[in-house]
Amino acid sequence: AQSVTQPDIHITVSEGASLELRCNYSYGATPYLFWYVQSPGQGLQLLLKYFSGDTLVQGIKGFEAEFKRSQSSFNLRKPSVHWSDAAEYFCAVVVAGNKLTFGGGTRVLVKP
Amino acid sequence: GAGVSQSPSNKVTEKGKDVELRCDPISGHTALYWYRQSLGQGLEFLIYFQGNSAPDKSGLPSDRFSAERTGGSVSTLTIQRTQQEDSAVYLCASSLGGSGNTIYFGEGSWLTVV
Repeated sequence: AQSVTQPDIHITVSEGASLELRCNYSYGATPYLFWYVQSPGQGLQLLLKYFSGDTLVQGIKGFEAEFKRSQSSFNLRKPSVHWSDAAEYFCAVVVAGNKLTFGGGTRVLVKP
Repeated sequence: GAGVSQSPSNKVTEKGKDVELRCDPISGHTALYWYRQSLGQGLEFLIYFQGNSAPDKSGLPSDRFSAERTGGSVSTLTIQRTQQEDSAVYLCASSLGGSGNTIYFGEGSWLTVV
């Protein structure tokens, strides 16, 4: 079955430290790939997306993600986290019909 | 408005009652989606409208759930005879349609069935 996996349910990181969130997908072809962020009580906000071309994608809020076809991964990174980055992060793919399939999410806690 | 608007933002209802949740998509967006977010189930696709095409209802969990989209714009998600397991956040989203276009989400309607 086609799926999106985020192996880490929770990650705790110190403010100013780097952050990497993992995402793996299992599809035959390269899907469209997205990262969304959800702050408490809020909807989902798009951080970045990958369709084709350069495999390193820049997004908002200082985030970037790298698509690695050989590993079926699309990991999200930020060099230096801020307390406001505490949120839940969702990786998602579009395979057909523009429907998003989401991973289970990774909750990020930021320590002062 | 500038974004996807959902109402009500919060709804508490008694088990067995019907509820309606409303979504106003971004103006000009032809595609509209409903998702459900609940503890233990994550984000689940419910239904997808694209233009005048027949909706993709493949994610609706039971026949108690239905949705309409009138005039290609506003959508209503209806849950009949609500059950406690229907308690969740119902997220609406819209896009320009077509694969790969950015999908924009509303802030959700929090439904609690007591």
